[in-house]
Amino acid sequence: GQNIDQPTEMTATEGAIVQINCTYQTSGFNGLFWYQQHAGEAPTFLSYNVLDGLEEKGRFSSFLSRSKGYSYLLLKELQMKDSASYLCASRLSNDYKLSFGAGTTVTVRA
Amino acid sequence: GAGVSQSPSNKVTEKGKDVELRCDPISGHTALYWYRQSLGQGLEFLIYFQGNSAPDKSGLPSDRFSAERTGGSVSTLTIQRTQQEDSAVYLCASSLALGEGEQFFGPGTRLTVL
Repeated sequence: GQNIDQPTEMTATEGAIVQINCTYQTSGFNGLFWYQQHAGEAPTFLSYNVLDGLEEKGRFSSFLSRSKGYSYLLLKELQMKDSASYLCASRLSNDYKLSFGAGTTVTVRA
Repeated sequence: GAGVSQSPSNKVTEKGKDVELRCDPISGHTALYWYRQSLGQGLEFLIYFQGNSAPDKSGLPSDRFSAERTGGSVSTLTIQRTQQEDSAVYLCASSLALGEGEQFFGPGTRLTVL
């Protein structure tokens, strides 16, 4: 596997910022995905990074450092509806499946 | 269709019985993937299809698991002689083609083996 590592849980206050880190094995790496999954629902796509740098999409941003095998998902201006599990997944250049981490459960409190 | 659909949404079965799970991908998507998600664990890859072909079956947990896809569209995942450890949510996803763009997930089938 790709040994995707991300924290199990994070808690933050409404309106605040939370950063979810993810590390992965760099060998053969060909893309990093972030998905959001609300309880009992399907994962929904948030972002895709294949080059180094920051990709911003509204309140959500994702960063990638290929040399460090590191990514983070940044959630700004947190809302209660952002309470969910956030899944980090990598893809290899000679493969098409995604290897997922166990997910980070984010709880947003009022 | 508008999104990936799966049926049934829930399935409860007795140990030793066979089950068949169905996935209907987004229209026009040639690549289809099966994953399973056990409680508190990450998604585990099972198998993918490009068209009707499944070049990589290495993720299937045992020979009790099989999958097919006919007509380049609907796929079925069959689990024979189910065991309690097969209990999980089985998720199907599709993408335009293998390695292209993001994978869109269906709502999953929650399988409970008693």
